Amino acid sequence: EIVLTQSPATLSLSPGERATLSCRASQSVSSFLAWYQQKLGQAPRLLIYDASNRATGIPARFSGSGSGTDFTLTISSLEPEDFAVYYCLQRSNWPWTFGQGTKVEIK
Amino acid sequence: EVQLLESGGGLVQPGGSLRLSCAASGFTFSSYAMSWVRQAPGKGLEWVSAINNGGGSTYYADSVNGRFTISRDNSKNTLYLQMNSLRAEDTAVYYCAKDRIAVAATFDYWGQGALVTVSS
Repeated sequence: EIVLTQSPATLSLSPGERATLSCRASQSVSSFLAWYQQKLGQAPRLLIYDASNRATGIPARFSGSGSGTDFTLTISSLEPEDFAVYYCLQRSNWPWTFGQGTKVEIK
Repeated sequence: EVQLLESGGGLVQPGGSLRLSCAASGFTFSSYAMSWVRQAPGKGLEWVSAINNGGGSTYYADSVNGRFTISRDNSKNTLYLQMNSLRAEDTAVYYCAKDRIAVAATFDYWGQGALVTVSS
């Protein structure tokens, strides 16, 4: 099973700041990685698929990069609604696995 | 409007069984792969199982393989998860999720979740 390790566990930032979230895979997942956002009490929302493709309706301030084992989700300028937990998910190998999540909180 | 509505959650004793349903509407259900994803209280997301659009291919997490069975009835636009030999660690909110394309872990729509509690 591929293990995804997200860092940091918590990111404390202010609105308007840039957020950089990392997801590292225990073995190569090529570009088969997605990012999801989850707000408290809500279902997750797809942000990025195949490492760098924004899902429908996702603002341009969200971007994804990386391939192989190292991936990054960048939020260029945090809006108040962006404070949430973010998860990466790999589909390169069965079983699909999520990272443990990064919480982006208001500083 | 795409809607996914889970039902069938509840309290069950360890070793018991439960079947979750997910009623889909607003899209051509038979054209899309579907998955179940769960979240234990206060914990992260865990992918549980996936099924292709026709129902002929199924996939499972190691933690549920052999105990859970995913299925679908395209004539009823409904996804199912049969859960047997339930354990305390299966306690979670279970979400059904629609894949954007094929079997690709790109879940563009999610249900509101169904809570399953395994406890004596």
